Amino acid sequence: QVQLVQSGAEVKKPGASVKVSCKASGYTFTSYYMYWVRQAPGQGLEWMGIINPSGGSTTYAQKFQGRVTMTRDTSTSTVYMELSSLRSEDTAVYYCARPYGGNSAGYCDCWGQGTLVTVSS
Amino acid sequence: DIQMTQSPSILSASVGDRVTITCRASQSISRWLAWYQQKPGKAPKVLIYKASSLESGVPSRFSGSGSGTEFTLTISSLQPDDFATYYCQQYSSYSPLTFGGGTKVEIK
Repeated sequence: QVQLVQSGAEVKKPGASVKVSCKASGYTFTSYYMYWVRQAPGQGLEWMGIINPSGGSTTYAQKFQGRVTMTRDTSTSTVYMELSSLRSEDTAVYYCARPYGGNSAGYCDCWGQGTLVTVSS
Repeated sequence: DIQMTQSPSILSASVGDRVTITCRASQSISRWLAWYQQKPGKAPKVLIYKASSLESGVPSRFSGSGSGTEFTLTISSLQPDDFATYYCQQYSSYSPLTFGGGTKVEIK
């Protein structure tokens, strides 16, 4: 079955970077885009960007431009999201999510379990 | 960017009630709208896609309607498992993809 398994919780100090992984299984990794979405405590869902695992191309939300980098490793069917210059407002659960049907714009039919990133001094 | 506005933000209801949540887009998104249910500590789960198509495995008491800029999610008879937070999401444009602010359905 289609599954996205993310790396474990992280605690980081302000100014540091964090790299979260998302390992895909159960489907052809390079045939589907991947989103990263975050959710601050008690808040709504916020789209951070998209990566095409086939060629590695990315598009980031303007809010995160310059601070976020999404990459992939096709040999392990894993996508990564690295966020730098962390501040307390970046404390959130980070999700990878697969848009349906191989489309760049789609609804998410599969989500990772989420990775809590806590930024605290 | 396409802004998505959900209302109400909190809804108090009883088991068996008919519940309606509204989502408005700042510009036309045709029918490119999905609804999700999220429970505490869990990832969102898609209920409805393309405004009114029911995701496989989702109970038929959930339904969606609308097109253009105004959409609704209806739960025909609220069940105990339905107390959760619901989000709409537009996918007319992926840059950026945008979500509504959420509607928490709580026990009256």
